[in-house]
Amino acid sequence: GQQVMQIPQYQHVQEGEDFTTYCNSSTTLSNIQWYKQRPGGHPVFLIQLVKSGEVKKQKRLTFQFGEAKKNSSLHITATQTTDVGTYFCAGLFLRNNAGNMLTFGGGTRLMVKP
Amino acid sequence: GAVVSQHPSWVICKSGTSVKIECRSLDFQATTMFWYRQFPKQSLMLMATSNEGSKATYEQGVEKDKFLINHASLTLSTLTVTSAHPEDSSFYICSASDVYEQYFGPGTRLTVT
Repeated sequence: GQQVMQIPQYQHVQEGEDFTTYCNSSTTLSNIQWYKQRPGGHPVFLIQLVKSGEVKKQKRLTFQFGEAKKNSSLHITATQTTDVGTYFCAGLFLRNNAGNMLTFGGGTRLMVKP
Repeated sequence: GAVVSQHPSWVICKSGTSVKIECRSLDFQATTMFWYRQFPKQSLMLMATSNEGSKATYEQGVEKDKFLINHASLTLSTLTVTSAHPEDSSFYICSASDVYEQYFGPGTRLTVT
């Protein structure tokens, strides 16, 4: 079945350092979405990328979608303690006669030392 | 943004009993709702896709008779865990979809003793 791999699993950074998490899909995606889940909370939608090679920015966050629409990355510049949480990518797969399926990557847990 | 509520937020039940979890989209109509399961420090696993007025589509490995899903209206879907066992203890999260994105509920933590 469709799989979305995400690395790294954990990342400890010093406040002010940059952070990147990567996602790879075994097959071409219709789109890719990114979510943030704070400890004890639920996933909150950050952004959706649809086009091949798309790059979107939200303040210190930069999201990229690969040319082949099989990989994506989230980069945070100058991390802050408020960035702490688990970042999930989720790839949307189009399935014939079975509806679309959003498959989550394993998540990258970001810890920021003040 | 759109709001999705879940009730209860946590529940403890005895082995062999059934538990119903409600998922509501509060300010929009969701033709499709999704049910996920999340074990501690793990990713979300899609259990089933629920369309209003029709039977839910279950993912491979998810028992239909154990996890009963009803999508009675455009704003309400329910998940009933029947004859719960300790291994069913988990965090269950629903999400509701509009045209643009999925909105997640706050989740229900189920503990089966």
